Amino acid sequence: DGGITQSPKYLFRKEGQNVTLSCEQNLNHDAMYWYRQDPGQGLRLIYYSQIVNDFQKGDIAEGYSVSREKKESFPLTVTSAQKNPTAFYLCATRGQLTGELFFGEGSRLTVL
Amino acid sequence: KNEVEQSPQNLTAQEGEFITINCSYSVGISALHWLQQHPGGGIVSLFMLSSGKKKHGRLIATINIQEKHSSLHITASHPRDSAVYICAPQNLYSGGGADGLTFGKGTHLIIQP
Repeated sequence: DGGITQSPKYLFRKEGQNVTLSCEQNLNHDAMYWYRQDPGQGLRLIYYSQIVNDFQKGDIAEGYSVSREKKESFPLTVTSAQKNPTAFYLCATRGQLTGELFFGEGSRLTVL
Repeated sequence: KNEVEQSPQNLTAQEGEFITINCSYSVGISALHWLQQHPGGGIVSLFMLSSGKKKHGRLIATINIQEKHSSLHITASHPRDSAVYICAPQNLYSGGGADGLTFGKGTHLIIQP
């Protein structure tokens, strides 16, 4: 089935550790996005990529890094520089022709 | 910056009731997305509309571009409709390839049997 796979679904991290969240898509979409969701707030854009080997910072990129080596994959690394990393992270793509958004099931990161 | 307001924030209704969720925004847009976030956290796109009205099953979305307002209606509501509903206007001038989206905080809907 076509879709977006995020892993892991739940992740616990100690302070000072980097963690990488995986996002894989088989929709053949060029545009991919990472969002952060906190209680009581709307989704906020962390990073986005319009094409392989290119990505841009979103509104809250500090403490995060990404790569886009393959069209299908857009992993997000939460670094130790992120001051408040506990959150729900969502990966999304956008259809080239329709502009419709597609989301993964999300990854919930908890820093202990 | 687009200011997005959704109302109500929380809504509890009985099965079978007609549900309306509202979304207002402050700047010109090219389109507006309605999204459904189920209790597990994943998000599904319900509608993307730029004018008028769209219908899919028991869901209806309308938009008035001049008044900067959109509504999502659910007819004959059912407990499986319980979810968070999020509106996301697509800014008219997103520029630079950014997503151009501003997400509302969501409306938490509970349909009781």
